[in-house]
Amino acid sequence: AQRVTQPEKLLSVFKGAPVELKCNYSYSGSPELFWYVQYSRQRLQLLLRHISRESIKGFTADLNKGETSFHLKKPFAQEEDSAMYYCALTHGSGNTGKLIFGQGTTLQVKP
Amino acid sequence: DAGITQSPRHKVTETGTPVTLRCHQTENHRYMYWYRQDPGHGLRLIHYSYGVKDTDKGEVSDGYSVSRSKTEDFLLTLESATSSQTSVYFCATMDSTYEQYFGPGTRLTVT
Repeated sequence: AQRVTQPEKLLSVFKGAPVELKCNYSYSGSPELFWYVQYSRQRLQLLLRHISRESIKGFTADLNKGETSFHLKKPFAQEEDSAMYYCALTHGSGNTGKLIFGQGTTLQVKP
Repeated sequence: DAGITQSPRHKVTETGTPVTLRCHQTENHRYMYWYRQDPGHGLRLIHYSYGVKDTDKGEVSDGYSVSRSKTEDFLLTLESATSSQTSVYFCATMDSTYEQYFGPGTRLTVT
């Protein structure tokens, strides 16, 4: 079955500390992986996707097909990074765009 | 915000009553989605649409129906609301790069 697992419900770090939000998936085929973020009182929005290989707001994520993981990392956390983060996957190109979300991880960056 | 609005933004209703939530977009995106967000479950797909009058079920479609008579509007109906349908409902659209854009959400409470 297709599934996305985010094992941490809450991750609390101090400002300036490294951050890693874990995401594991199960999928037969070639999925496309995303990280979406929801800041307080804002809409859910795309943070990054694995095919673009971009670094957005200092965050990066590498798709590890062997470990079926797509962990989100940032070397130095900022207070404005505090938000809910969702890992999601969908089928490869030509799909209907149906997203399967993980349970979400709340990142709390303390001053 | 990809011009996505949802109405109403908040609603309290009684068990057994029908409820319709509206999603409106101004981007002319072909694909539209309804998700529900619940603690511990992340977002789960209820129904989606791939064009006018073309819809299909998602992961948690029981008790919900949808309609899309115009490109810009996607309606979600709870035929007979139950307490288990208390949730936050998000509408989304998808552009040609497979990025999804989310509405502000509707908080529904069924008493």
